[in-house]
Amino acid sequence: AQSVTQLGSHVSVSEGALVLLRCNYSSSVPPYLFWYVQYPNQGLQLLLKYTTGATLVKGINGFEAEFKKSETSFHLTKPSAHMSDAAEYFCAVSRADSYQKVTFGTGTKLQVIP
Amino acid sequence: DTEVTQTPKHLVMGMTNKKSLKCEQHMGHRAMYWYKQKAKKPPELMFVYSYEKLSINESVPSRFSPECPNSSLLNLHLHALQPEDSALYLCASSQEVSRPQHFGDGTRLSIL
Repeated sequence: AQSVTQLGSHVSVSEGALVLLRCNYSSSVPPYLFWYVQYPNQGLQLLLKYTTGATLVKGINGFEAEFKKSETSFHLTKPSAHMSDAAEYFCAVSRADSYQKVTFGTGTKLQVIP
Repeated sequence: DTEVTQTPKHLVMGMTNKKSLKCEQHMGHRAMYWYKQKAKKPPELMFVYSYEKLSINESVPSRFSPECPNSSLLNLHLHALQPEDSALYLCASSQEVSRPQHFGDGTRLSIL
């Protein structure tokens, strides 16, 4: 079984401030981890992914995330928030052997204050 | 613009109507998916079509039926839907199952 917990359904940051969106996972096997972003009235766009190898992964739009197995975490960060970062962010976990195990978190809505 | 194209973008239908949602990708991906997303909720997987095999989330009602005419198309046929079926329907594709998925912009469906 696997699950994803996103801490904080809403996060507000000032423009230029650090963005930190938290994601913790539970998986009985080594996971694949993803962050997706969803803008209003659009589909999900992949920000970054962790499969194997380097635990610090860099994605698009200046975002990065670090896989910490000991903490079962995959938090998303960006050094300086931009107004265009305001959106819904979903953390997701899957396993290599079964698409049916793709699980999304409940999402975190990021608000950027000018 | 996304690489997964969904039509129509919006659809309003009555409970007795029959309609279809269309999804197309030209990335050579071998897996395609339908998701249902209610407001302020994450997407819920409905169907997966991979290597000519369809897999179904058993909680999905039979009034939804997928069809895969070829490897780049995945349709979702709708019949006798209920008001609670109103949602954003997202199509996605990936090179292989478990690989990152590319999503379309969705069809916003409203059932009267």
